[in-house]
Amino acid sequence: DTAVSQTPKYLVTQMGNDKSIKCEQNLGHDTMYWYKQDSKKFLKIMFSYNNKELIINETVPNRFSPKSPDKAHLNLHINSLELGDSAVYFCASSYSGRGETQYFGPGTRLLVL
Amino acid sequence: SQKIEQNSEALNIQEGKTATLTCNYTNYSPAYLQWYRQDPGRGPVFLLLIRENEKEKRKERLKVTFDTTLKQSLFHITASQPADSATYLCALTKDAGNMLTFGGGTRLMVKP
Repeated sequence: DTAVSQTPKYLVTQMGNDKSIKCEQNLGHDTMYWYKQDSKKFLKIMFSYNNKELIINETVPNRFSPKSPDKAHLNLHINSLELGDSAVYFCASSYSGRGETQYFGPGTRLLVL
Repeated sequence: SQKIEQNSEALNIQEGKTATLTCNYTNYSPAYLQWYRQDPGRGPVFLLLIRENEKEKRKERLKVTFDTTLKQSLFHITASQPADSATYLCALTKDAGNMLTFGGGTRLMVKP
């Protein structure tokens, strides 16, 4: 009965590669998010997305792109991976996106070599 | 610039005591403030939400206060237990939108 799931849990790859992380939520929520948590444990919003609107944190490089095949899924695609992309990426969801509780996935640990 | 500050040093307390964690913010007018718990290797888990027009919120052994004049929230855990040991994150929503901004978290260690 996992509410928010992510795959893979671990991802090790070489610089320059393109990779995707998948996220699915079974909570019936309208809004999904991607966060990045760096080595200093700061959790930063990258994207907020519902079926009407994509909000992008202006600090996110355009190598990162969210892709949503349907309301329950929000995948994160990363082009031309760089060493600095190494971090833990969390997917989250919320009901309406109006400041309510967010439910987080278990995280994907990305290591770029 | 906008900042959310939590004590980056770990808070060590004895079992049974009350833990008090602080979240200070500058250059924000948050509509909502939330507290999350994060265990190592896991995603954050929601604990409490308090709105800008609320002074205090309680849930079991947890209590949150929100002082918009001081720009501060306090998070209390009463009768603390070793199982409460974790990192606690505060997060703000600036308006009725949906972008949460997190503080750096405070690690709590409750010793038996």
